[in-house]
Amino acid sequence: DAKTTQPPSMDCAEGRAANLPCNHSTISGNEYVYWYRQIHSQGPQYIIHGLKNNETNEMASLIITEDRKSSTLILPHATLRDTAVYYCIVRVVAEGGKLIFGQGTELSVKP
Amino acid sequence: GAVVSQHPSRVICKSGTSVKIECRSLDFQATTMFWYRQFPKQSLMLMATSNEGSKATYEQGVEKDKFLINHASLTLSTLTVASAHPEDSSFYICSAHYRLAKNIQYFGAGTRLSVL
Repeated sequence: DAKTTQPPSMDCAEGRAANLPCNHSTISGNEYVYWYRQIHSQGPQYIIHGLKNNETNEMASLIITEDRKSSTLILPHATLRDTAVYYCIVRVVAEGGKLIFGQGTELSVKP
Repeated sequence: GAVVSQHPSRVICKSGTSVKIECRSLDFQATTMFWYRQFPKQSLMLMATSNEGSKATYEQGVEKDKFLINHASLTLSTLTVASAHPEDSSFYICSAHYRLAKNIQYFGAGTRLSVL
């Protein structure tokens, strides 16, 4: 599985957009980009995933560059409850496709 | 999203005791489930892949005789920490692969194991 690189921490003001970057320069053609987040002492929560097109759901938007070597997760209006560690993971979509977690980005949303 | 239930949420036991943790997919069937452990201030580490009706696949360095995995049905996988010792104290988390929901993995809430 391809590796990802994320900044260790970021701050964001409440109500503003949070843009979390992720580099995955060795991604393969059959690997998707997944985003999860983990709020302290809880299990990870699925946010969004995509292959090459931009994706949006009720939680966030995912922007993937044309060469697929990087992506950005956008939380359009961050709230204090969005404070968490955000993980960007690349994964083959198959029955046994593992999620290998890196160190993630610790996002702090401040009032 | 789909619901994965993990039980118990917290367990405190004496050294030498075996501890069983259950992971259930409540509203979907999961032929594949995964077990992770997480130490404080660290990321999740994949321990093993649990396959319904067959033996689990363990990651390198994980002792299969220590961490016994059983996936007897399409909605239940169990992790048994055999003869637990203080160094096994950790946060254990399971996930279930939901094939019909775009192959998303959904996670349980985790089990905090403390071995005295």
